[in-house]
Amino acid sequence: GDSVTQMEGPVTLSEEAFLTINCTYTATGYPSLFWYVQYPGEGLQLLLKATKADDKGSNKGFEATYRKETTSFHLEKGSVQVSDSAVYFCALRTRLSGGYQKVTFGIGTKLQVIP
Amino acid sequence: GAGVSQSPRYKVAKRGQDVALRCDPISGHVSLFWYQQALGQGPEFLTYFQNEAQLDKSGLPSDRFFAERPEGSVSTLKIQRTQQEDSAVYLCASSLAGTDTQYFGPGTRLTVL
Repeated sequence: GDSVTQMEGPVTLSEEAFLTINCTYTATGYPSLFWYVQYPGEGLQLLLKATKADDKGSNKGFEATYRKETTSFHLEKGSVQVSDSAVYFCALRTRLSGGYQKVTFGIGTKLQVIP
Repeated sequence: GAGVSQSPRYKVAKRGQDVALRCDPISGHVSLFWYQQALGQGPEFLTYFQNEAQLDKSGLPSDRFFAERPEGSVSTLKIQRTQQEDSAVYLCASSLAGTDTQYFGPGTRLTVL
């Protein structure tokens, strides 16, 4: 079945440091890929997405590129801020019979940014 | 506009009790999903509705779990005879038909003692 593997945290960085959170996936067909973020005390929010190979999703300074050859979707940000402290989930969506989308999530990576 | 809302936000139940968790999706969203998120884990799919039809319930862990969406809007996830392993955050998400963006509610944290 489909699965998502992402690096375990927690990841602790100083403000303005470069961030990479690795994510690889296993899926049949051609899934869409997502990064979701969960800030403390809040619900999951879509951060960015990519729907086909070589697409780059970007939002709020975060980027991730859909790499089909390496089945990866690593999340990067050039300069993190304290406000980026949250849990980040890599996810994929597969379209199943009936036309709906089941989303499979990774375990989540907690990021803590210190001033 | 309002997002997805869930109630209660926190629920403590004694083992063996029945619980009901409510989800109010975004108005007009045809698709509704329930997920279970155990501590330190990512959300796991439980079940999916398109309008009032439950198209997939393959993720429900046992026959103690039951979900409904009788009028195609509000949904209720019911857990009968709760067990300690049911302790988790239960997330609801909704989306428009044919789109891939799911909007999540804040979740209900269930603790079974």
